[in-house]
Amino acid sequence: DQQVKQNSPSLSVQEGRISILNCDYTNSMFDYFLWYKKYPAEGPTFLISISSIKDKNEDGRFTVFLNKSAKHLSLHIVPSQPGDSAVYFCAASAAQAGTALIFGKGTTLSVSS
Amino acid sequence: DTEVTQTPKHLVMGMTNKKSLKCEQHMGHRAMYWYKQKAKKPPELMFVYSYEKLSINESVPSRFSPECPNSSLLNLHLHALQPEDSALYLCASSLTGSMANEQFFGPGTRLTVL
Repeated sequence: DQQVKQNSPSLSVQEGRISILNCDYTNSMFDYFLWYKKYPAEGPTFLISISSIKDKNEDGRFTVFLNKSAKHLSLHIVPSQPGDSAVYFCAASAAQAGTALIFGKGTTLSVSS
Repeated sequence: DTEVTQTPKHLVMGMTNKKSLKCEQHMGHRAMYWYKQKAKKPPELMFVYSYEKLSINESVPSRFSPECPNSSLLNLHLHALQPEDSALYLCASSLTGSMANEQFFGPGTRLTVL
């Protein structure tokens, strides 16, 4: 059973618009969430994280929102740029319990100019 | 230096071969990880080393044998692999073994078992 779900395998957005990538989780013990970006033939690159004591974290063009009651988080990229085209993985862990990172299946974002 | 390096980039091996994957970081991180990623799937954790000691082994078959000679190096020794072991093997490191630290990934080794 998947504990971290990214239900949209792909997303297409025009340059300059907002990209919203969604992630749902089932394990209420998860208390730390991360987003990674992956280009082909490269390893995942850490993008942004949020702990369960917050509901929003912002870093430049990237903002992550956490809705604990809905067990849902989202990554907003604004404005989107062609260089943002990549696979985005959501990951979660029960950090206090020391459990490993669990990754979602990823969403492929395509930003067209 | 904010990089995790992995060698080789590509490896093709037969089922009777013995080979090793290598991973190195010089960020002073004390936790290192091996992940396996199959096509169109998320990375799956195999092993975690924390302060050079194996802290997590996710029920990985014994044909995969990790080794952490020092805090900067992590090896994965391979022996008698099966074709279904073909995958991208990713190494990662983090400041400590706490899962509240972001992990930095290397580019991976693309392994093909014939």
